[in-house]
Amino acid sequence: AQTVTQSQPEMSVQEAETVTLSCTYDTSENNYYLFWYKQPPSRQMILVIRQEAYKQQNATENRFSVNFQKAAKSFSLKISDSQLGDTAMYFCAFWASYDKVIFGPGTSLSVIP
Amino acid sequence: GAVVSQHPSWVICKSGTSVKIECRSLDFQATTMFWYRQFPKQSLMLMATSNEGSKATYEQGVEKDKFLINHASLTLSTLTVTSAHPEDSSFYICSARDRGGPGELFFGEGSRLTVL
Repeated sequence: AQTVTQSQPEMSVQEAETVTLSCTYDTSENNYYLFWYKQPPSRQMILVIRQEAYKQQNATENRFSVNFQKAAKSFSLKISDSQLGDTAMYFCAFWASYDKVIFGPGTSLSVIP
Repeated sequence: GAVVSQHPSWVICKSGTSVKIECRSLDFQATTMFWYRQFPKQSLMLMATSNEGSKATYEQGVEKDKFLINHASLTLSTLTVTSAHPEDSSFYICSARDRGGPGELFFGEGSRLTVL
């Protein structure tokens, strides 16, 4: 069975600084997707970034980028130039095709002015 | 991006009554929808997978007779909490997979259920 682990329950970062959130997963699948979702206080789930396992190049979306290490089964999220609006819960998620999405326990990120 | 609408966003009911929550995909067809439950400061817990035109698949430990799920069309799935009790109070979130799109889930806004 697939599992997703986020070892940092809470993190904080100064505004404009860079922070990295960790995620590891366990699977025997070779083809899958990895996601980072953001859940702000409104509780609406927002997709931050997506990575296809067959792509070696790390995904990037503006200030958000990932470090995908397939052999190590690691998928960390880097947020550059942190903004107050980045304060939220961040969930790492795993999805093998035609199966359910598995969410990690989440990391609560606070951006400090 | 694709839009999933969930209604109601907040509902209060008396113990013993039933509550229905709707999840609609507004601009795409969703052959599969997922229902999650989330407790405060915790992750999303998958309750069931709903496939259009067939019975839902429930996760272990989820009471299928208490949480009735119906996926009658490609754009609508409903979750009915039957004979609700205070311990059913929670935040319920639906998500939908676009059958024509790449691997991505689209989430509804969530529904907060309070059972008195």
